[in-house]
Amino acid sequence: KAGVTQTPRYLIKTRGQQVTLSCSPISGHRSVSWYQQTPGQGLQFLFEYFSETQRNKGNFPGRFSGRQFSNSRSEMNVSTLELGDSALYLCASSSEAGTAYGYTFGSGTRLTVV
Amino acid sequence: AQSVAQPEDQVNVAEGNPLTVKCTYSVSGNPYLFWYVQYPNRGLQFLLKYITGDNLVKGSYGFEAEFNKSQTSFHLKKPSALVSDSALYFCAVRLVNRDDKIIFGKGTRLHILP
Repeated sequence: KAGVTQTPRYLIKTRGQQVTLSCSPISGHRSVSWYQQTPGQGLQFLFEYFSETQRNKGNFPGRFSGRQFSNSRSEMNVSTLELGDSALYLCASSSEAGTAYGYTFGSGTRLTVV
Repeated sequence: AQSVAQPEDQVNVAEGNPLTVKCTYSVSGNPYLFWYVQYPNRGLQFLLKYITGDNLVKGSYGFEAEFNKSQTSFHLKKPSALVSDSALYFCAVRLVNRDDKIIFGKGTRLHILP
C-alpha cells in the first residue's frame, strides 16, 4: 500500500511569495497533520485535519493555512514568505484522530526561502 | 502546559554496546507515548508506542522502551547498538483527551561509533 506522498520534494521561493504544499495520505486514512521541522526548533505542530475539518492548530501566524479535501488529500499554504519559513515541512496521516494510533510520515517538502 | 523533553542533543555509543536515549514528559492526564526515528532527508518512521499495560514495550529493529509513570519517563533502549542505528530520534506524546495533537521532543542525534 502506498505511503504518504508529499509534493514537491524541494522548493525554492523568494521572500514575499506564497507557496502551496500537497500531501496525499495513505489510502483510508482520514487524519492529516502538518509539522514544520527546523534544526533549532525541532518539530513544531502546524495543524491537524480530520474529515475536512481542522481539529487542532498550532501557534503559527495566520500566514500559514491549510485545508483538506473530501478524498483526504491536504494542502498547506504559506503566504508572504519570510526567510525564517525555510524548513522541512512534514505531513503525517493516521487512520483515526484522537486515538492511540501513531502517525505515518511522508518524506517532507524542503522549502528554501531566499 | 504539556511538554516533552529529550535532555541530550547527541548521544555517542560504541558499536555493540547498549544504548539509551532519554525522554521525559509533562502532561495532565494519561498519555500515549511514541518513539520515532528519522534518517537523513527522510520523514519520521514509527518505532514503538506505549498505550497501556506492560511498562516495557518492544518495537522495530530491536528497540524497546520503558514507561516509568512515577518518573514520567519513556527512555528508548537497545541491548547492542549497530552503526546503522545512527539517526535522529524523537520522543512524542499524545494526550488522551479532546485536544489530542502529538507533541514531539526536539530530538536526540544518536552516533554509533564503529
